Amino acid sequence: ETGVTQTPRHLVMGMTNKKSLKCEQHLGHNAMYWYKQSAKKPLELMFVYSLEERVENNSVPSRFSPECPNSSHLFLHLHTLQPEDSALYLCASSQVWDSGDLSFEQYFGPGTRLTVT
Amino acid sequence: DQQVKQNSPSLSVQEGRISILNCDYTNSMFDYFLWYKKYPAEGPTFLISISSIKDKNEDGRFTVFLNKSAKHLSLHIVPSQPGDSAVYFCAARADTDKLIFGTGTRLQVFP
Repeated sequence: ETGVTQTPRHLVMGMTNKKSLKCEQHLGHNAMYWYKQSAKKPLELMFVYSLEERVENNSVPSRFSPECPNSSHLFLHLHTLQPEDSALYLCASSQVWDSGDLSFEQYFGPGTRLTVT
Repeated sequence: DQQVKQNSPSLSVQEGRISILNCDYTNSMFDYFLWYKKYPAEGPTFLISISSIKDKNEDGRFTVFLNKSAKHLSLHIVPSQPGDSAVYFCAARADTDKLIFGTGTRLQVFP
């Protein structure tokens, strides 16, 4: 595997289900991101992990719960979602410089298309 | 309120001609601007960037121009090729860990 992979690619879930999205990066990066892309809206940053520590939570509802067990893996745990949460969820990774700053160049996975019924 | 705007949702250009994709922003604190390209069923891929201290950056067929006074960014592709057909996202870096994206412009290059 190369680059950034995401599984599953498509997910349909009911509002009472619990599911998880998985992201894995094979680039040796140490920062990872979750984005949400809804129709006709810009990509919205949800969470940022730098060196396995969450550094950004962009006012995301608690029904979305991220987990970063190591620098290569990132999960997004989903529970009691709403139909308006249906969107494309994109994972990305980037390098963290020695200064602690994150590289602006992010590498994206193909996304998980989520439909909440 | 959107800080990064791509006001043209789509653009159609003939092969061999120039494609110009535009982006406007509102935050004068942005220090880096990027263009990403996205094919269907794939994630966005980084294309080209420009620092706020420059007004032009060129990479092969792709050139990005920055007009800070107008808070305007543009991507020029010349000559355009059918393989350039994709959605192009403009993004700006607000601080060291956040990119703000535009809504994208779908470019169609026809023969």
